[in-house]
Amino acid sequence: DTGVSQDPRHKITKRGQNVTFRCDPISEHNRLYWYRQTLGQGPEFLTYFQNEAQLEKSRLLSDRFSAERPKGSFSTLEIQRTEQGDSAMYLCASSLEGTYNEQFFGPGTRLTVL
Amino acid sequence: DQQVKQNSPSLSVQEGRISILNCDYTNSMFDYFLWYKKYPAEGPTFLISISSIKDKNEDGRFTVFLNKSAKHLSLHIVPSQPGDSAVYFCAASGDYGQNFVFGPGTRLSVLP
Repeated sequence: DTGVSQDPRHKITKRGQNVTFRCDPISEHNRLYWYRQTLGQGPEFLTYFQNEAQLEKSRLLSDRFSAERPKGSFSTLEIQRTEQGDSAMYLCASSLEGTYNEQFFGPGTRLTVL
Repeated sequence: DQQVKQNSPSLSVQEGRISILNCDYTNSMFDYFLWYKKYPAEGPTFLISISSIKDKNEDGRFTVFLNKSAKHLSLHIVPSQPGDSAVYFCAASGDYGQNFVFGPGTRLSVLP
């Protein structure tokens, strides 16, 4: 396993369209995280899963955003009715369950909403 | 309100010299801290960590110092190399490393 992968790497869409991103974590990691990063800022936490259960969601995650991890492996992040303010880098990370485990990040999906 | 601050947006250092990157936090419940390095078009890469029971952790050229009373940590890179040029993020956790709050990052440029 070569690490966390994300698809697509880049997405350009028009305002109002729906987009879906995929994240494949490191295979033995049961925790999966989604972050959003805008220019000049660090990653901002959106949500995380332990296996297939979504355990926490940030207030940043409006009702237009939904994330799933149906079989506890890959995850998808969908944004409905995209807005220009959704333009950002969306990062996925995975880690082992337990304390004091660092998160391993994927390369991110850069979303541009026109 | 930013709970994790990196007040220097950028830093330039000569190759071979020491790079010192600083991070301040406001939440006294934070007990675990990480540094990540990020190159353009890549995700952040874990560098080094420290828990609140320690005040120093070393890994090769990288050393992290934690001053709990000042709510301050720093990353020292000695000697600095051109390949160290990247954006460095400080991250803090208050729940044993399950969720992290990231600082805005410091862009380090190591000049040959």
